[in-house]
Amino acid sequence: DAKTTQPNSMESNEEEPVHLPCNHSTISGTDYIHWYRQLPSQGPEYVIHGLTSNVNNRMASLAIAEDRKSSTLILHRATLRDAAVYYCILRAVGNQGGKLIFGQGTELSVKP
Amino acid sequence: DGGITQSPKYLFRKEGQNVTLSCEQNLNHDAMYWYRQDPGQGLRLIYYSQIVNDFQKGDIAEGYSVSREKKESFPLTVTSAQKNPTAFYLCASSNPGTGFNYGYTFGSGTRLTVV
Repeated sequence: DAKTTQPNSMESNEEEPVHLPCNHSTISGTDYIHWYRQLPSQGPEYVIHGLTSNVNNRMASLAIAEDRKSSTLILHRATLRDAAVYYCILRAVGNQGGKLIFGQGTELSVKP
Repeated sequence: DGGITQSPKYLFRKEGQNVTLSCEQNLNHDAMYWYRQDPGQGLRLIYYSQIVNDFQKGDIAEGYSVSREKKESFPLTVTSAQKNPTAFYLCASSNPGTGFNYGYTFGSGTRLTVV
């Protein structure tokens, strides 16, 4: 399974944009890039996913590099409720049932 | 509202006992998954099932067993063979049959402690 690399932690100020990076240099052509976030003592929550093009939804934006070896999750205005661990995951396609392989994630703290 | 229900939220087990964690979904999803999370760590896959009556081992299946007799249910049994069962257990579901770009839905977890 292709792996991802993320910084262990990041800090942000409330109401400022946050750019969370992810490297996935061994990504295959059919791997989707998924982002999830997990608040303390809760299950992960789906944030966004993409394949090649940049994606926007009500929670965030996903910017994917042209060579697909890296991506960036963008929170446009961080709030205190965005403090969580953010996971960048490659979703394998094929006979593996689309299972998600989680890394360590990035712990985002938001300062008021 | 559709979702995944895990029960109980907290579970205490004596050493040497088997214990079963419940996971039920009403999302009509084909695939279901069990993950384990230790403090400060990411999630590790225990078992997954793509269809009823079929399941596959994940990365850390030793000491665990599952069944998938109904589409809605995917219970996980933590057996006495699991040497370090204290952890946070998460169940998830998805619908890979409609495209591998679909997201997962997770339950709220069961925190198991061996006493």
